[in-house]
Amino acid sequence: QAGLTQPPSVSKGLRQTATLTCTGNSNNVGNEGATWLQQHQGHPPKLLSYRDNNRPSGISERLSASTSGNTASLTITGLQPEDEADYYCSAWDNSLSAWVFGGGTKLTVL
Amino acid sequence: QVQLVQSGAEVKKPGASVKVSCKASGYTFTSNFMHWVRQAPGQGLEWMGIIHPGDGGTTYAQQFQGRVTMTSDRSTSTVYMDLSSLRSEDTAVYYCAREENSFDIWGRGTVVTVSS
Repeated sequence: QAGLTQPPSVSKGLRQTATLTCTGNSNNVGNEGATWLQQHQGHPPKLLSYRDNNRPSGISERLSASTSGNTASLTITGLQPEDEADYYCSAWDNSLSAWVFGGGTKLTVL
Repeated sequence: QVQLVQSGAEVKKPGASVKVSCKASGYTFTSNFMHWVRQAPGQGLEWMGIIHPGDGGTTYAQQFQGRVTMTSDRSTSTVYMDLSSLRSEDTAVYYCAREENSFDIWGRGTVVTVSS
């Protein structure tokens, strides 16, 4: 099953800005945007953003999401130690009639 | 508050079946779809399918069709995921996640180990 493409790892310094990308196609990311999830080791994923820049209550304003064409992005400003985690994107694929996930990006805060 | 409580860890032999439960509370059970997602050790997330607890309607990921069955019990606000013909590659953490603007609430996960 075709998935979304994410870089395996990104490293940034404390208080810097990280931008994570997620590339799909016109049937998924390009159609309805992406959902972003954060997962700390040993814990279930946590919803950060859905259908681009819609944040659930309690999610920091340091996080923002957007889509350009078939690529979705998650930007985290003022990086903190607790931002170090795995980040996954997901989208509904209307040709597969299935949700697809990216392989995940491991964000390291130096 | 909204909560999804999953059943405990399972150890199964190859060829067996496993049934994982996910009990919902804190909201109207029949109002939201429920996803099942799994994560193999050290790997990413894999969508397995979705069920509407109200009418039992399901959509399964192609790679699981024929092996997975998702059901719901409205009397106990519980959804179930049954996976048959288990093989070692099915060793994973299995999560249920509510569909409310995507995967908004997750269970803590159920570890399923397939080993002879």
